[in-house]
Amino acid sequence: NAGVTQTPKFQVLKTGQSMTLQCAQDMNHNSMYWYRQDPGMGLRLIYYSASEGTTDKGEVPNGYNVSRLNKREFSLRLESAAPSQTSVYFCASSTGDRSYEQYFGPGTRLTVT
Amino acid sequence: RKEVEQDPGPFNVPEGATVAFNCTYSNSASQSFFWYRQDCRKEPKLLMSVYSSGNEDGRFTAQLNRASQYISLLIRDSKLSDSATYLCVVNAPGGYNKLIFGAGTRLAVHP
Repeated sequence: NAGVTQTPKFQVLKTGQSMTLQCAQDMNHNSMYWYRQDPGMGLRLIYYSASEGTTDKGEVPNGYNVSRLNKREFSLRLESAAPSQTSVYFCASSTGDRSYEQYFGPGTRLTVT
Repeated sequence: RKEVEQDPGPFNVPEGATVAFNCTYSNSASQSFFWYRQDCRKEPKLLMSVYSSGNEDGRFTAQLNRASQYISLLIRDSKLSDSATYLCVVNAPGGYNKLIFGAGTRLAVHP
């Protein structure tokens, strides 16, 4: 099993460009999440999807949109990238029951110049 | 006040040392507690859950004090391979398995 996969691993964007980060899991998990991680700060939740067909805002949703394409895939879109969105982005998934354990993808390192 | 607070470190310890990390959380309604480990430039991975009665997994011992809203992790007989950042994590009450992550405590174990 691959677990949680993310593409791309690295990306450099110019201010104002758009891009979509892709995430897929093969563990048949119901819930999926997008986080960003910045130096000195904990992982911050951007958006999450409790189950297929639902999405909700997390702590820092501004400037992002998401799509839960099917049970396996959850994408994150930056419509107009800003330097403040330079970060490492992690996708995660969990069963959605109260076990709470989340499994993370390897991350995408994004730089916006 | 941050929802989960940790000493950022770094903790620099020799091999074989015992080291303890502490964490406080602000929401008394949180019910589930964890320690995650994150290696440099890698994704976080679950190290262990933290139970009210305290629990041990090999060289690692986790303790929870609900009254003080305090969680600890003790690592005995440190190995070079224990060098990593340790994230204190609590559940967000009322959420769909939402977790709140501390910023992490960095541990460097040297020969």
